[in-house]
Amino acid sequence: QKEVEQNSGPLSVPEGAIASLNCTYSDRGSQSFFWYRQYSGKSPELIMFIYSNGDKEDGRFTAQLNKASQYVSLLIRDSQPSDSATYLCAVNLDRGSTLGRLYFGRGTQLTVWP
Amino acid sequence: NAGVTQTPKFQVLKTGQSMTLQCAQDMNHNSMYWYRQDPGMGLRLIYYSASEGTTDKGEVPNGYNVSRLNKREFSLRLESAAPSQTSVYFCASSLSPGRANEKLFFGSGTQLSVL
Repeated sequence: QKEVEQNSGPLSVPEGAIASLNCTYSDRGSQSFFWYRQYSGKSPELIMFIYSNGDKEDGRFTAQLNKASQYVSLLIRDSQPSDSATYLCAVNLDRGSTLGRLYFGRGTQLTVWP
Repeated sequence: NAGVTQTPKFQVLKTGQSMTLQCAQDMNHNSMYWYRQDPGMGLRLIYYSASEGTTDKGEVPNGYNVSRLNKREFSLRLESAAPSQTSVYFCASSLSPGRANEKLFFGSGTQLSVL
């Protein structure tokens, strides 16, 4: 069964702290990993993607991928109240496929308080 | 540049009624998708169209049909609505199937209530 699991949250951190969001997935052959942010009542928007093992940094965001452990995480440094949203992990679980279908986790709700 | 446009934004149906959700993209994308989002359930794929002329089932296709009318448009039809189909529906598109082009662009969503 194809699954993407996220820590259930909600996660609450103070402004300026590091928020850590985690995600595991079921298929070792998965190739593509994405983090989407969704504000309440809005549609998801892509904030990070990662294909290779290791870290990928973009501003205050760092995505970390460990394919051996089937684990992907998102770190948000210097968290701001504007980062308060639900973060969705998405993985292409179609091994060897080029279809590009993404499977989403249930999301982790993050609140950054001033 | 409108991106992905969904209509309607809100809809209330009675059990057994039918309706079609419309989606159009103007980014010349090849692939289009329909997702539903329920509280605490994340996004679940209903149907997708990898390219014009093809459609395929996703995780939760029962009770739905789709039509890829042309490259721009991908509609979702509920033939006989049920309360279990109360959800927020998102249409999305991507440039093409394949690893480097899987970034999804989402429409603004349709809030559907079935009474």
